[in-house]
Amino acid sequence: AQSVAQPEDQVNVAEGNPLTVKCTYSVSGNPYLFWYVQYPNRGLQFLLKYITGDNLVKGSYGFEAEFNKSQTSFHLKKPSALVSDSALYFCAVRDGDRDDKIIFGKGTRLHILP
Amino acid sequence: DVKVTQSSRYLVKRTGEKVFLECVQDMDHENMFWYRQDPGLGLRLIYFSYDVKMKEKGDIPEGYSVSREKKERFSLILESASTNQTSMYLCASSAILDMNTEAFFGQGTRLTVV
Repeated sequence: AQSVAQPEDQVNVAEGNPLTVKCTYSVSGNPYLFWYVQYPNRGLQFLLKYITGDNLVKGSYGFEAEFNKSQTSFHLKKPSALVSDSALYFCAVRDGDRDDKIIFGKGTRLHILP
Repeated sequence: DVKVTQSSRYLVKRTGEKVFLECVQDMDHENMFWYRQDPGLGLRLIYFSYDVKMKEKGDIPEGYSVSREKKERFSLILESASTNQTSMYLCASSAILDMNTEAFFGQGTRLTVV
């Protein structure tokens, strides 16, 4: 069975600084990995995904994520944080070898300090 | 744009009532999912469906059932609502693995059971 761990409940970053939100995963087949963002009282919005190919994936709003197979990680990054990036971020995994469920982590709340 | 529509944004129901949460998607997706979101617990999968009339239990199916009579519609049923089912409920849909694989979410239904 697949699983996702987001080790930090909350991350605080000063505006303009780089940010990283951590994610590690476990899956028996090929990992399909996703990041989503949730703003207050809203559903989840897709940010980016890794399916295959380059380990560095670029997504919406200037976010990127780095797939590291040996460390089973898929950390979300942004070179320069904006106050508007403050939100709840979810990492998710799907087993690429079977048409199956998508499992989410517990989420990390990102606070960008002005 | 992909659209996943949940029938209600907010619901208040009494303990013991039978509750129906409806979800409709317009992208002809094969897979549909119901999650509940609780603070500190992230998104937990209740049920998912990979085809009409097909369903699989997720991680927390107890107290819930689902119905998928048509491809575009996936209903979550609380047979006898209880206060511990007060939560945010999120519906999602996705295509099969060899197409775009990310899940698209509805806006969520905040259910309060009193």
